[in-house]
This record gives sequence, C-alpha cells and structure tokens, in this order.
Amino acid sequence: AQSVTQLDSQVPVFEEAPVELRCNYSSSVSVYLFWYVQYPNQGLQLLLKYLSGSTLVKGINGFEAEFNKSQTSFHLRKPSVHISDTAEYFCAVSGAGSYQLTFGKGTKLSVIP
Amino acid sequence: GAVVSQHPSRVICKSGTSVKIECRSLDFQATTMFWYRQFPKQSLMLMATSNEGSKATYEQGVEKDKFLINHASLTLSTLTVTSAHPEDSSFYICSARDSGRQANYGYTFGSGTRLTVV
Repeated sequence: AQSVTQLDSQVPVFEEAPVELRCNYSSSVSVYLFWYVQYPNQGLQLLLKYLSGSTLVKGINGFEAEFNKSQTSFHLRKPSVHISDTAEYFCAVSGAGSYQLTFGKGTKLSVIP
Repeated sequence: GAVVSQHPSRVICKSGTSVKIECRSLDFQATTMFWYRQFPKQSLMLMATSNEGSKATYEQGVEKDKFLINHASLTLSTLTVTSAHPEDSSFYICSARDSGRQANYGYTFGSGTRLTVV
C-alpha cells in the first residue's frame, strides 16, 4: 500500500515569488508520482508526472517537480507564481502496475497580489 | 488530448430520491473508470473502481447498494446515488484511464458533480 503526505495544508505566497509545495510518499514497491491542480468546483488537471527516467520533471504552467528516491519526496516548484496559480494542489502516488491513485490531503496555494 | 465529460455539474435533489451521474470518455476508450468523493477542503476518497462489462469494485466502507455503478460501454460509467440523504451531499469526481496506453500514463478527470440533498 502507498501513502502520501503533503506537509503544508496552506501556502500563501506573493505574486512573482517562487514557491515549493512539499510531498512525501511511502511505498514498498516502485511508484509513479503525480501532481494535480484543482480549481474551485472543478475536477483535477494533471500538472506533471514521474514514471521513470530523469528525476526532474517539467509540467504545464511553468511547474516542475523533482523525484528524490532516497528522501521519498516529490516536491513541486515554480520560480515565479501568478495570481492564476491560486488553487488546490494534490500529490498522488500509485504503485507500478497498479491502476489506483492515492492522494495526499492537498495544499491550498494562495497567491497574494 | 483526452477529455472526460461528467454530467450534471450540479444537482439538487430531495431526500429519498435517486440521482444519476454520468462519466463519459469523449475521445478514448476506458475499460476502467474511478469514482471519488471529495468532502469540503479535503482530499479525494476513492469510492469504487468501475470495470467495463463487470461488477464494480468498492472500497471498504462504501455501500454498494447505496452507490450503484454501471459501466456498460467502453466510454460510459454511471454512478447512481440511491435514496439520497443530506449526508450524501458532496462533490463527486470520476476519472478514466485510457485503455490504449500503458499503465499509469495518466488519468483524466471529469469536472465533478456537486450534489446537494435537501
């Protein structure tokens, strides 16, 4: 079984400042890792994913994440945030070969003008 | 890209009635779809895995007679909340996996359904 911990429930940040949203996971098998964004009253949109290969993954909207196997982390970063990045961000994990996703509790990113 | 259409986006129903939510994959086939429930300011809780042509697999604690799932075609899964009560009010989200791609290529999510039972 897998689990995901998002260490921060809320992250306020000023516009154009950098941001890092933290995600740690635990698993006894190889994993696939995902970051999703959810805007109010909407479904989830995939930002990026790590399946294998390069540990630095680039996604949409200028986001990137780095897979760190030794620290079991998959933190999400953006060098300069915009007001439009205000949303809920979910880290998710699935075991390799499994079709089920386990989500973290989410981090609400609030960008302050 | 892959698109999943979920309808309705919002529904208000009276206590004791049933509500059906549809989840359609528009441009790909999905042998597997997932239904989630999301409480306010919380994460997504997997309710069940919907498999085309077979019975759904429910997570522990989810009442299969209350939340009926039908996956009759490769592009459509439905969730019916039977005899709804106010405590069933929630945000329900479906997701689908493209059967033509390798495992965990990525899941596409519907836009969600806000159910309010009065």
